[in-house]
Amino acid sequence: GQQLNQSPQSMFIQEGEDVSMNCTSSSIFNTWLWYKQDPGEGPVLLIALYKAGELTSNGRLTAQFGITRKDSFLNISASIPSDVGIYFCAGQLRGSSNTGKLIFGQGTTLQVKP
Amino acid sequence: SAVISQKPSRDICQRGTSLTIQCQVDSQVTMMFWYRQQPGQSLTLIATANQGSEATYESGFVIDKFPISRPNLTFSTLTVSNMSPEDSSIYLCSVEAQDTQYFGPGTRLTVL
Repeated sequence: GQQLNQSPQSMFIQEGEDVSMNCTSSSIFNTWLWYKQDPGEGPVLLIALYKAGELTSNGRLTAQFGITRKDSFLNISASIPSDVGIYFCAGQLRGSSNTGKLIFGQGTTLQVKP
Repeated sequence: SAVISQKPSRDICQRGTSLTIQCQVDSQVTMMFWYRQQPGQSLTLIATANQGSEATYESGFVIDKFPISRPNLTFSTLTVSNMSPEDSSIYLCSVEAQDTQYFGPGTRLTVL
């Protein structure tokens, strides 16, 4: 099915470093969501973005909704070991012919070395 | 946010059998969704389950294989029918609430 292009696929960083990941699409979306999934768990919502150009923070996390509505990035500052997990972006398009379903990126696996 | 529970959390099943997964949410929601996450992969939408109407299936998923019930605004079931090893995945339900989607913990299914 349709997917977003999420990069990088994986990252192995030192504790304290900043992290950046992004998603791009050939289609526009009117909502971008970022989730984190730990092993054996369901995805947990980190940040939701609803307007083109919107920049939103949640603690050490910052995400932006691209102006073109076709991309988004997530930054994590001063990484800590509990940031380990898989991060997914998801785009959502609402409209009369869309049920609000999510299209997911392939995920970014983050490993943090203490 | 919405609190979502799923049963069972995991199961190991024999090929040819069927398994019904339950999803319960702590508040009334209009839209519920079922996703599949194959090993090491991202999430793919199976279908949208709306109360009072038949589920809407995505391309590649059919009602005979994945029948869905939505008897009320807080509950839904997904059945994986006539299972084969290729059905081994995590099955997740999600709900639309406060203009975003929240996910349950998932059901990890292994088919032998």
